[in-house]
Amino acid sequence: GIQVEQSPPDLILQEGANSTLRCNFSDSVNNLQWFHQNPWGQLINLFYIPSGTKQNGRLSATTVATERYSLLYISSSQTTDSGVYFCAVGAGSYQLTFGKGTKLSVIP
Amino acid sequence: DSGVTQTPKHLITATGQRVTLRCSPRSGDLSVYWYQQSLDQGLQFLIQYYNGEERAKGNILERFSAQQFPDLHSELNLSSLELGDSALYFCASSVATGAEAFFGQGTRLTVV
Repeated sequence: GIQVEQSPPDLILQEGANSTLRCNFSDSVNNLQWFHQNPWGQLINLFYIPSGTKQNGRLSATTVATERYSLLYISSSQTTDSGVYFCAVGAGSYQLTFGKGTKLSVIP
Repeated sequence: DSGVTQTPKHLITATGQRVTLRCSPRSGDLSVYWYQQSLDQGLQFLIQYYNGEERAKGNILERFSAQQFPDLHSELNLSSLELGDSALYFCASSVATGAEAFFGQGTRLTVV
């Protein structure tokens, strides 16, 4: 099946800093999503982005499908951004395959 | 709020028991997916239903089964529970295969 690798596995930021999270995948995809899992365990949709670039407030994402990677940018980070960020991809067989996540800790 | 409703939120049960987790998808979504999140395995796909029919199977144990009913809600049945089945179980739904999936709040199962 498709492989999904996320980096870095852990990230500690000072409040106000910017960061870039990366997701590499091993095959062509027709679905790519970024999620934020908050400390209560909820999986919150950030972006549905199988290709192209999207922005939502302080967050933006870019997927370069031909090169099989996606980037999530977080600017001016806040403590509420803490949690685990997952990249998940779907490739023809419909279900999403998740990466292991990037654990982000934003400290005041 | 994603629009996907899962009940119960928490469940504590003993080894050997059977439990049923319930999921109501977003209005209009025909696909329902079940995932298991454990500390050592991460988020693993279990099974998918589309409009009442099983569409895909992942790493689902034989002790586990699921179904999707005519009103599109889904149930995941876990039987002969073991300590290792303790995990967060998520349901997700999407309007069609390949479309954006939305996740419920999850059911945290603890087997003691």
